Amino acid sequence: QKEVEQNSGPLSVPEGAIASLNCTYSDRVSQSFFWYRQYSGKSPELIMSIYSNGDKEDGRFTAQLNKASQYVSLLIRDSQPSDSATYLCAVGVTGGYQKVTFGTGTKLQVIP
Amino acid sequence: GAVVSQHPSRVICKSGTSVKIECRSLDFQATTMFWYRQFPKQSLMLMATSNEGSKATYEQGVEKDKFLINHASLTLSTLTVTSAHPEDSSFYICSARDERGTASTFGSGTRLTVV
Repeated sequence: QKEVEQNSGPLSVPEGAIASLNCTYSDRVSQSFFWYRQYSGKSPELIMSIYSNGDKEDGRFTAQLNKASQYVSLLIRDSQPSDSATYLCAVGVTGGYQKVTFGTGTKLQVIP
Repeated sequence: GAVVSQHPSRVICKSGTSVKIECRSLDFQATTMFWYRQFPKQSLMLMATSNEGSKATYEQGVEKDKFLINHASLTLSTLTVTSAHPEDSSFYICSARDERGTASTFGSGTRLTVV
């Protein structure tokens, strides 16, 4: 079982719709969770971080964390073509140098 | 926000030569730096973690003698790919984190092509 799992996609949504990206993780002691966006040929950029159960909203983005079920999701409201990218879920275990494990990413395509 | 500068952005080298990649934190002290490698259409693979002033910790399967990492200061880490071969061609990305341990900031990446 992979430590961090994501559906590779592509996930296609029409412009203006809500895109829902999901991620599951295997290590129950994980305490930090991140969503990164990566455009083709570029390095990842941080979108959201979440550390406690529930929802965290930032503009059009909402991260949802459920530690009991070991999943974290990212919702993108009013999707725009510029949101088309690969979204990487990353999970960290606090302690030591806090190694972060990345999922393989979900490719999102927003269709105009 | 935190900025991490990585150079060079692209490099082409001949097989057997060495290439050095620099990663600098511009506006914060990076107590920890991470080096990743990413092959096309694959996820980031952590190569090693370095803390300032100490030896890097390499992930399983990564040759420490081939991928030399130096983290001599709180703002600079370097990765040297020694005796590069075509199979080392990849996208190398660094990330840095300060002592508070919040999310890492990524450099812009280095596209290495070994011919």
